[in-house]
Order: sequence, then C-alpha cells, then structure tokens
Amino acid sequence: SQTIHQWPATLVQPVGSPLSLECTVEGTSNPNLYWYRQAAGRGLQLLFYSVGIGQISSEVPQNLSASRPQDRQFILSSKKLLLSDSGFYLCAWTGILNTGELFFGEGSRLTVL
Amino acid sequence: TQLLEQSPQFLSIQEGENLTVYCNSSSVFSSLQWYRQEPGEGPVLLVTVVTGGEVKKLKRLTFQFGDARKDSSLHITAAQPGDTGLYLCAGAPQTGANNLFFGTGTRLTVIP
Repeated sequence: SQTIHQWPATLVQPVGSPLSLECTVEGTSNPNLYWYRQAAGRGLQLLFYSVGIGQISSEVPQNLSASRPQDRQFILSSKKLLLSDSGFYLCAWTGILNTGELFFGEGSRLTVL
Repeated sequence: TQLLEQSPQFLSIQEGENLTVYCNSSSVFSSLQWYRQEPGEGPVLLVTVVTGGEVKKLKRLTFQFGDARKDSSLHITAAQPGDTGLYLCAGAPQTGANNLFFGTGTRLTVIP
C-alpha cells in the first residue's frame, strides 16, 4: 500500500533561521508531489508541485523553495524565515491512479517567533 | 488564480439538524472534490464529482455539482458530532491539470 509521511510535525523557529520540512511517499514511483500552506482554519494555498526528480513548479513568489532530490522525496526549505511563514504546511500526492485527487500527509505546524 | 468561495465560513448547529454548505466560482472546473479536515491533520477526500448536475450520496452526505460545473453543494442530513470539522472544496481547472484550487473552507461544529 502507498503512504505519505512528512516531518517534523511541529516546529518553532526564530525569525531569520533556516527551515527544512521533508515529505516522502512509500509504495509507489514517480508520484506527483505538492506542498500547500494553510492559514489558521482556512483553505489551502499551493506553494510548489513536482512531477519528477529535479522538476519544481512554483505557484507563489515567496521566501520558500522546494527541491526533489529523489523520486519519492520532496523538501520545503527556507534560508531565512519570516514571521509570515508561520502556518500549517501540508505535503500531498495524487495517488497511484493519478486522477487528480490528493492524499495528504499529517501536516507540519510551523511557528516563527 | 481561480477562486472558490465557500459559504458559510462558520456554522454551528445542534445534533440532528440539517445543513448545506456552498462552493461557488466564476470559473469552470473539470471536476470538483470535497475534503474534510480534523484539527492538526491533513484533509481527507470525501468525494469527487465530474459531470455537470451530478449528485453523489455518501451516507448522510449529499454532494451536487452545478450544471455549468462552476459550483457545488454539500448537504448533511441529521448532523452528528462526528461531522464536526473543516470542509474544503477543491476544483481541478482542466483535465490532467497538475494543481487543484481550494475553497476558503467552512468550519462546521455540531453540538451534542
């Protein structure tokens, strides 16, 4: 069976510090992968998506970057965090049938102080 | 960016009541999905509607896709405390597109 995991689950970082959130998918190959950010209790904003190794599409200009060093690994990074980077970050993939429906990881709560 | 507006933003009802949540856009979508999200967790897919006018039922939940494929509704009959959560609609702008546009969300609280 296929599963998606992301970590860490919770992160508290000072302004100006770096960030690395990691997401991996197990049980499949060449998945479409996504990073979303969610403001408190609201809808999801697409940040990045990737259809293959080294292929990253950015949807929103921001202080963040993404990388896909391996087929089933998707990393969200920042060199210097801003207060406005606080939020709930979600990794997702489109499932083995790739019908456009998304399957999400557990989420990572980032608080920038 | 294709916007999906959900209404109401917040809804608090008593157990046993019925409710309807709306998802509206000026854009046409090839399909529309509904997700439910619990606090601190990722959204979980409930249903996908594809055809204009399509109605799908999932136990006490009824989903409808508008004839023009620009809007959708979610109706819950006899709401239960377990229905509490954030309901999100999401539209696929075209077949095979690599992204979904998510709605603004409806926070539902069902009071026992």
